Amino acid sequence: EAGVAQSPRYKIIEKRQSVAFWCNPISGHATLYWYQQILGQGPKLLIQFQNNGVVDDSQLPKDRFSAERLKGVDSTLKIQPAKLEDSAVYLCASSRLREEYYGYTFGSGTRLTVV
Amino acid sequence: ILNVEQSPQSLHVQEGDSTNFTCSFPSSNFYALHWYRWETAKSPEALFVMTLNGDEKKKGRISATLNTKEGYSYLYIKGSQPEDSATYLCAFHLNDYKLSFGAGTTVTVRA
Repeated sequence: EAGVAQSPRYKIIEKRQSVAFWCNPISGHATLYWYQQILGQGPKLLIQFQNNGVVDDSQLPKDRFSAERLKGVDSTLKIQPAKLEDSAVYLCASSRLREEYYGYTFGSGTRLTVV
Repeated sequence: ILNVEQSPQSLHVQEGDSTNFTCSFPSSNFYALHWYRWETAKSPEALFVMTLNGDEKKKGRISATLNTKEGYSYLYIKGSQPEDSATYLCAFHLNDYKLSFGAGTTVTVRA
């Protein structure tokens, strides 16, 4: 089966600019996750969708970050305006509903550098 | 937010040698523990999902054990090869949907 697709792979922006990331999960996977991984730290969950509803966005900085999942399939994550501390790898993952026992399938991530 | 600790942060191992490293997690309300391998410029890849105390899982030269009572898991690499160079992440499943990740152990295998 095709993997989780993410784009772009790399992005460099200036602080206060906006940026958007795109994710296409594995077909049939009901649950989609966005993680932020800052250098030297473990990935941190930003938001989790089940189909097109939000399950958990407790760690999403909602004053600048937003995310949506279109028709329960693709998802976009947006940062507006970006800050220097947003420099990180943004990982998208998906899993079947209640198939967490088998692990998540991750995309290759978007490396964001804010200068 | 749960504290998942991995040690060491990094290690270097000679090709052919074996190595192991640790993941520590809260022992109460255990649900599952995941191990992922993340090679540079690639996607994190699921290695194991472990749910039972005393579980031992194996995939090729890589194996893992789980002790839920004391809150730790070991990952072992036998006869390390250069392709084993990666960051190994463990993640603790508190409830039925949220994973908390450790910062990872970065393994470098020297030829």
